[in-house]
Amino acid sequence: GNSVTQMEGPVTLSEEAFLTINCTYTATGYPSLFWYVQYPGEGLQLLLKATKADDKGSNKGFEATYRKETTSFHLEKGSVQVSDSAVYFCALSGTGANSKLTFGKGITLSVRP
Amino acid sequence: GAVVSQHPSWVICKSGTSVKIECRSLDFQATTMFWYRQFPKQSLMLMATSNEGSKATYEQGVEKDKFLINHASLTLSTLTVTSAHPEDSSFYICSARRDWNNEQFFGPGTRLTVL
Repeated sequence: GNSVTQMEGPVTLSEEAFLTINCTYTATGYPSLFWYVQYPGEGLQLLLKATKADDKGSNKGFEATYRKETTSFHLEKGSVQVSDSAVYFCALSGTGANSKLTFGKGITLSVRP
Repeated sequence: GAVVSQHPSWVICKSGTSVKIECRSLDFQATTMFWYRQFPKQSLMLMATSNEGSKATYEQGVEKDKFLINHASLTLSTLTVTSAHPEDSSFYICSARRDWNNEQFFGPGTRLTVL
């Protein structure tokens, strides 16, 4: 079945540091890949997505590239802010209208001033 | 646009009682909604897929008689935790898949505490 593996956390960075959060996946076919963010006390929000190999999703300074050869979708940001402190989930969905999301365990990012 | 609401946002109940949680898509139609459970510092576990007008599909290991799901309209799905016990205490999150493009939107979650 499908699975998503995220690097272990939590991660603590200073403001303006570079961020990389690793995500690898196992899936049959050609899944779509997502990063969701959950701010404290809130529900999940879609941060970015990519639907095919070599696609790059980007939003709010975050980027992730769909790498089929390494089955990865690592999240990066060049300069994090305190407001980026949240839990980040990598996820995939299979193809078709009946696809379901499979989530990684999530990683907590704390950015200190 | 594309807002999903959940009600209540938090609930405390006594062991043995039943609790109903509502999930609504406020500005779009959703034939399919999903119910997840999230334990502290862990990922979301899909409990069931809710389909309007038909029975829900439960994931392996989820008791369908304990977690009753009703998807009565294209904008409303409910999850009823029957005879709740302390081990059912958790954060329950729903999502709604927008019919016209299959994109999923998540509700803010409901914190259930069973005493």
